[in-house]
Amino acid sequence: DVKVTQSSRYLVKRTGEKVFLECVQDMDHENMFWYRQDPGLGLRLIYFSYDVKMKEKGDIPEGYSVSREKKERFSLILESASTNQTSMYLCASSGLTGLTEAFFGQGTRLTVV
Amino acid sequence: AQSVTQLGSHVSVSEGALVLLRCNYSSSVPPYLFWYVQYPNQGLQLLLKYTSAATLVKGINGFEAEFKKSETSFHLTKPSAHMSDAAEYFCAVNERGSQGNLIFGKGTKLSVKP
Repeated sequence: DVKVTQSSRYLVKRTGEKVFLECVQDMDHENMFWYRQDPGLGLRLIYFSYDVKMKEKGDIPEGYSVSREKKERFSLILESASTNQTSMYLCASSGLTGLTEAFFGQGTRLTVV
Repeated sequence: AQSVTQLGSHVSVSEGALVLLRCNYSSSVPPYLFWYVQYPNQGLQLLLKYTSAATLVKGINGFEAEFKKSETSFHLTKPSAHMSDAAEYFCAVNERGSQGNLIFGKGTKLSVKP
């Protein structure tokens, strides 16, 4: 059974903390993605990566960075968490072409207080 | 830039009634199209996808969608709603030749009344 695993389902962090969200996939997929989901706004792409050590900015990269040192792992980093980053974060992976669907993790609900 | 519009942020139907969730895309070149479902506090799960084979695509849980190029639409239907269909549904597109980053609509929350 294919799997995308996010390290935490729920996180509570304080303003100003550095936060790491981890995602691991076991499908040998080239592409990995981080989305943010907010009510009424749908899913918005933060960053994606199509190869190890490669990254591309999505629609809302400000306040975030990413790291992909190994093919199966894609980390999202909030350098200094702020309350407006309270949200649901979804990681996904897919094959190289647009023909293949993305597989999603269960999501991490982050609350910044 | 490619965009996806889902008409209606909330749709409510009675159990046993037809489900129709609307999706329109903006590209002049037919993209790859997907419908995903999200149950509360879960990630997204693929319902079905269109990749230029048959225009009527069947998915899981009795859902299907029809690609209509002339209308740039990919509406999702199910003949008879079940209570278990209550969830949020997202339409998404991939540009042909893209590296695979999906562009999502804002989602439609489906409620099913007994």
